[in-house]
Formats: sequence, structure tokens, C-alpha cells
Amino acid sequence: DAGVTQSPTHLIKTRGQQVTLRCSPKSGHDTVSWYQQALGQGPQFIFQYYEEEERQRGNFPDRFSGHQFPNYSSELNVNALLLGDSALYLCASSSKTGYSNQPQHFGDGTRLSIL
Amino acid sequence: AQTVTQSQPEMSVQEAETVTLSCTYDTSESDYYLFWYKQPPSRQMILVIRQEAYKQQNATENRFSVNFQKAAKSFSLKISDSQLGDAAMYFCAYRSAIMIYNQGGKLIFGQGTELSVKP
Repeated sequence: DAGVTQSPTHLIKTRGQQVTLRCSPKSGHDTVSWYQQALGQGPQFIFQYYEEEERQRGNFPDRFSGHQFPNYSSELNVNALLLGDSALYLCASSSKTGYSNQPQHFGDGTRLSIL
Repeated sequence: AQTVTQSQPEMSVQEAETVTLSCTYDTSESDYYLFWYKQPPSRQMILVIRQEAYKQQNATENRFSVNFQKAAKSFSLKISDSQLGDAAMYFCAYRSAIMIYNQGGKLIFGQGTELSVKP
């Protein structure tokens, strides 16, 4: 049973570029959340997708956008990259069924470095 | 808005000894969930233990247990018989139990406590 998978593992970009990160949820999960974790900090919630729609959003600018596909996988897009976007981006999945008691399962993350 | 605070940036414990990591949170909600996650250098966030706020009994998972004090908004993690593999960053997290129009479920994390285990 595959867990949450993220790609790529590591990415290097320059300021002003755009990036797309990908996430496949754990089998049986239909909800995907994205988090940004700066070095030495706790993860910060970016947004959550369910039924292909953004359901909840954290305090992140519109440069951060996402998408969820019919197979529940998801993408995180960041435009006009800034040095401050350098971080570990974590994807977490969960199931809406019996939602209230289900924890989120995390992937290994994508390390994004901005030069 | 809810907040989670971990006041111990670093902790150290001798192998086989017991250590307690502290966490406090602030919320006006009465129903919520609390979690402890472990993040080793491999980066993956691993669920250690969870607590439902409506349950008075403290959760336990093998060597891991919590001390949940709802009135004090405190949620500490106790690790007994510490092992070298317990060395990691530990995060306390809060999640609301309120679900509105399929929203909800975001985790609010503390800043983390880095635990080192000495042989």
C-alpha cells in the first residue's frame, strides 16, 4: 500500500521563475493538503483540495495556486518565485469518510531552493 | 485564531530514560484534536500520537503517552525508555473538529522541539 508520494525530491530555481510540485495521495484518500516548512520552523498550511476544489486556504498570496485531478492527485504551483519561497513543501492526504477521526498522512516533501 | 506554542527548542535525554516535551495551545473552540508528529532527518512527518479533546483519558501508544490538560490548554508528550531512534524534531499540532461546507482539517503546528538521545 503506497503512502503519499511527492515529486520531485529536490528542485532548484531562480527568482521570478515558476514551479510545479506534484503529490499522489495515499490509497483510499481523497483530500490533499499542502504545507510550507521553512528551515527550523513548523509547517504552515497553504491550502486544501477536496472534490477538485480548493476548500480552505491559509495566509499565502495568490502566487500560490493548486489543482486536484479526478484521481485525487494534486499539484502546487508557485509563480514569480522569491528567495523567501525556499522551503520544504509537504503534501498530506486524508479521507473525508469518517473524517473527524482521521489523521493526515504526509509525504517526504519537495525541497525547493531559490537562487 | 488558534495558536500552538512549543517553548523548548531543544531537549536532550539519556538512552533508556524518560523525557517530556511541552506544548500549549490557544483556542476558543471546545471540540478539537491534538497531535504529536515526529520528523526525522529523512523529512517525513510521522504521526506519533493523537488526542480527541472530548476524551478525558490521556492517549498512550506503547512508549509514548500524553498529559492532556484541557482547562490549562496543555498537551505534553512523554517518551519512556528513550531509544536512539527517537532522536528527531517533534511537532505539536492542533486541528479543529468543526466542518463547514467540507472545509476544515488544516493542521496548525508549533515551532518544534529538537530531541537528541545520548547513548
